[in-house]
Amino acid sequence: QSVLTQPPSASGTPGQRVTISCSGSSSNIGSNTVNWYQQLPGTAPKLLIHTSNQRPSGVPDRVSGSRSGTSASLAISGLQSEDEADYYCAAWDDSLKGPVFGGGTKLTVL
Amino acid sequence: EVQVVESGGGLVQPGGSLRLSCAASGFTFHVYAMHWVRQVPGKGLEWVAGISWNSGSRGYGDSVKGRFTISRDNAKNSLYLQMNSLRAEDTAFYYCAKDPSSDYYSVFDYWGQGTLVTVSS
Repeated sequence: QSVLTQPPSASGTPGQRVTISCSGSSSNIGSNTVNWYQQLPGTAPKLLIHTSNQRPSGVPDRVSGSRSGTSASLAISGLQSEDEADYYCAAWDDSLKGPVFGGGTKLTVL
Repeated sequence: EVQVVESGGGLVQPGGSLRLSCAASGFTFHVYAMHWVRQVPGKGLEWVAGISWNSGSRGYGDSVKGRFTISRDNAKNSLYLQMNSLRAEDTAFYYCAKDPSSDYYSVFDYWGQGTLVTVSS
């Protein structure tokens, strides 16, 4: 059972906009920023969004993140086939004194 | 180019020990915190341990506390994970990950390709 809650799956057609939610509590998302990771099939995870809404260099601006209260979301617009991957949210947890992850969301491009 | 390369995985019996290593290059290793994150094949990510730039702060996930020890050798640009009293549920890919800060937090900006640890008799 993951500390952060994500939907197990999401889907969209090419060109669509999809959002993935991440729900937590006051000890994690409620008081700390959120980071998102993309894991393509058979590869290591890659940092996609940090500090809730900042993109590392190389990540396209059609990818965005937001945080409000104890929830966060990742949005991908102009969906492409190469976006098909697993997506994980993560945040520091003040009670556990360590980072916690969501269970992951498998994004399928139909 | 930033690179972190894990090694040391393999098959070990329950109750046994294993030491993972991570060789870092392409960045000033001694400035940054580092982490170990694991993933059971087909499952999600789990933070295992983190260590600050000077080893002054170390933290562990609840499932490995008291059994695993994270350490680093800044002179060798290397990170380690000593795993003792291994259990079947420790079977996973273990990733070495760099933190962009000097103290460990929740951002992992570069990841290795992982090394597989299998605990089985």
